[in-house]
Amino acid sequence: GAVVSQHPSRVICKSGTSVKIECRSLDFQATTMFWYRQFPKQSLMLMATSNEGSKATYEQGVEKDKFLINHASLTLSTLTVTSAHPEDSSFYICSARDREGASYNEQFFGPGTRLTVL
Amino acid sequence: GQNIDQPTEMTATEGAIVQINCTYQTSGFNGLFWYQQHAGEAPTFLSYNVLDGLEEKGRFSSFLSRSKGYSYLLLKELQMKDSASYLCAVVDSNYQLIWGAGTKLIIKP
Repeated sequence: GAVVSQHPSRVICKSGTSVKIECRSLDFQATTMFWYRQFPKQSLMLMATSNEGSKATYEQGVEKDKFLINHASLTLSTLTVTSAHPEDSSFYICSARDREGASYNEQFFGPGTRLTVL
Repeated sequence: GQNIDQPTEMTATEGAIVQINCTYQTSGFNGLFWYQQHAGEAPTFLSYNVLDGLEEKGRFSSFLSRSKGYSYLLLKELQMKDSASYLCAVVDSNYQLIWGAGTKLIIKP
């Protein structure tokens, strides 16, 4: 149980285009989903926290107009990188918290999406 | 501010034992996680400690001392596949995960 999927796993796009990444909790309902970014040899950096049906809470320094997050249901959240630039190239990882899990605090991670902007 | 400290890199020999330390200063404490992350992959859950003491799970054990703001992950009978980064993360008073930078563990034959 507690499986989180992400799609796509890899994406290459041209500078200036937009990319949408989907995060789904497959066998549980997620009250909260988190979006992280990880640059090579660095730790995870939380970008934003999203709760189903409400606006996402962005971390300081993360542009909410550039990184659009939608959490329309208890099993799906999307991250859209708008007008992507080469510096947005990174590993994007989502995680979800099980609303009725044994450990309320545990986050289950998706496999990640490697974005390369040319 | 909130801070999680762990060594950047450690090297150990196959079959040996290694201890990865993590110290933290956070606003509140609601548990500590250890995750394993292989290069290019997402983190996978290893352990969760919220009370003081040692939690043993197979070859891996995790220890917590809340009074000292300290935890360690102990890996026994090291295997080559244990080469990975090990991330320490603390749940603060707002139930946010505060991440350490990770410890890269290199296993040599």
